Order: sequence, then structure tokens, then C-alpha cells
Amino acid sequence: AQTVTQSQPEMSVQEAETVTLSCTYDTSESNYYLFWYKQPPSRQMILVIRQEAYKQQNATENRFSVNFQKAAKSFSLKISDSQLGDTAMYFCAFPYSGNTGKLIFGQGTTLQVKP
Amino acid sequence: KAGVTQTPRYLIKTRGQQVTLSCSPISGHRSVSWYQQTPGQGLQFLFEYFSETQRNKGNFPGRFSGRQFSNSRSEMNVSTLELGDSALYLCASRRVANTDTQYFGPGTRLTVL
Repeated sequence: AQTVTQSQPEMSVQEAETVTLSCTYDTSESNYYLFWYKQPPSRQMILVIRQEAYKQQNATENRFSVNFQKAAKSFSLKISDSQLGDTAMYFCAFPYSGNTGKLIFGQGTTLQVKP
Repeated sequence: KAGVTQTPRYLIKTRGQQVTLSCSPISGHRSVSWYQQTPGQGLQFLFEYFSETQRNKGNFPGRFSGRQFSNSRSEMNVSTLELGDSALYLCASRRVANTDTQYFGPGTRLTVL
């Protein structure tokens, strides 16, 4: 079965500091994609970053970067220079059987950025 | 380019009624997926439509149905509403390929009384 696990239900970080959110997954697929989405209090789901499994280089989008460990099936999100606007729930997501139209989501990590 | 839009944003219904939610994808996107989000179950996949055909279906009862129109707009219908159907319903669109990223709408908050 394909599963996604986020083991940190809640985290907090001081503004301007760095925080890492963890995600592990299980799949027998060899080529796939992984996503991090954020859901702020407005409930709008926003794409943060995407990683292709065939790429060895970790994806980066401004202050957001991932640490992708394919053998360990680990996909963590690092947020540098945290800002108050980063306060949100973060979801790790994985396409079921390689189909990005059907995503399997982790349970989510609620991140609070404190001033 | 306009994002995914969903209407209505909020709905209040009573048990036994039915409801129809609408989703307009990003221009040029042909695939629309629907998800249900609840505090207890998290985010769960309902179904995906592409070219007016259902491609995938999640593990939901037959009361949940959907359709897609030729302009890629999609609707989902829930009949005989139950209290447990209270949730945030999210739709997402993508261009075509299985590798394309999904982009989400703001959601419809359904409350069943």
C-alpha cells in the first residue's frame, strides 16, 4: 500500500529561524513525484514545492527546500528565515500509482511562526 | 491566469437533502480532482475527471457523484446528506499528464445540520 506519514502534528519556530518538517512515504514505484502543500487559515491549499524522484538534486523555491532521501523514502521540507506568513498547516503529498490526479496526503503538520 | 474557482464557498444543508458543488479549473487544464477534508479523516480523494470521463474514484459511497462538462468545469453532487458529510470540499485542476502538478481552489465549506 502507498502511504504518506507526517510524524509531527504541531511545530513552532521563532521568526527568522529555520525549521524542518518531516515526511516519510512508502511506494513500490520507481519514478514518481512528491509535493509539499501549505494550507493557511484561509484554507486555500497552496503548492510549496515539488520534487521529481529521478532527480538527485533537491528542489528549492526561495526560502523553501527539500531533503529528498530516495532510499530512505524520506522527503523533509526546510523553511529558512521563517516569516509570520508561513504559519499554516503543511501537507506532504504523493501521487497514487504515479497519477498526480490522485494524491495521497499525510496527516499534516501545523506550523506556528512566533514573533 | 485566473486560478481554480469553486462555488459556493459556504453551504448549510439539512440531513437528507442533496447538494451540488461547482469547480472551474484553470484555463487550459483538462483534469479536475475532488477531495474531502475533515478533522478526523484528513484529506481524502473523491474522484478525478478528465475529458468528461471519470478516471479514478476514491472509497466513498455512491451518494457521492460527479461529472465534467466539455469546457472542463466539474460538479460534484452529494445526495441524502448525512451529518458526517460536513467537510471542506476541495477541487484541484491540472493540465493533462500524470506528471502535472495539481492546483487547488479555495474550497466549499459544507455544513450538514
